[in-house]
Amino acid sequence: GAVVSQHPSWVICKSGTSVKIECRSLDFQATTMFWYRQFPKQSLMLMATSNEGSKATYEQGVEKDKFLINHASLTLSTLTVTSAHPEDSSFYICSARNWGGGNQPQHFGDGTRLSIL
Amino acid sequence: EDQVTQSPEALRLQEGESSSLNCSYTVSGLRGLFWYRQDPGKGPEFLFTLYSAGEEKEKERLKATLTKKESFLHITAPKPEDSATYLCAVQALSAGGSYIPTFGRGTSLIVHP
Repeated sequence: GAVVSQHPSWVICKSGTSVKIECRSLDFQATTMFWYRQFPKQSLMLMATSNEGSKATYEQGVEKDKFLINHASLTLSTLTVTSAHPEDSSFYICSARNWGGGNQPQHFGDGTRLSIL
Repeated sequence: EDQVTQSPEALRLQEGESSSLNCSYTVSGLRGLFWYRQDPGKGPEFLFTLYSAGEEKEKERLKATLTKKESFLHITAPKPEDSATYLCAVQALSAGGSYIPTFGRGTSLIVHP
């Protein structure tokens, strides 16, 4: 149980392109989803928290107009990197958490490796 | 500010050599402490949740324990397939009313055959 699917797993695109990443909870309802960025050999950096049907809450220093997050249903959240540039190249990981809040674990997707040329 | 510190940063063990990883935390209103395993190029995999001091959880060669200030992940007779980065996280209530996770930097474990 508690499977989270993230697509695509790997994207290469030209500078200026917008890229959409999908995160789906396959066997549970995700009231909260999180988006992370991870640099090589570093820990997870939380970018934003999204609750179903609400606007995402972005961490300090994360541009909300650059990283658009939509959480329109209890099983799907999307992250769109708009007008991507080489400095946006990174490993992006989503996670989903069931209702119950702070005492529930997150379940992670397998990440999306984004390379902007 | 909530803080999670993991040590050591890296650990090399011989197969069968037991050891422990540490996660110390300072947080107000802890709702849970979580251990995850992350393999290279993959998302973290959930291992354990601990809710209160004195609690212990076991899974195969892994045992997690919790005190009021820290958690340990004990690895008994590790095998090469236990090689991974182990992440510790806490979740506490934020000013905005949501439970936000805070992760440590992780311990990179390599088990040599």
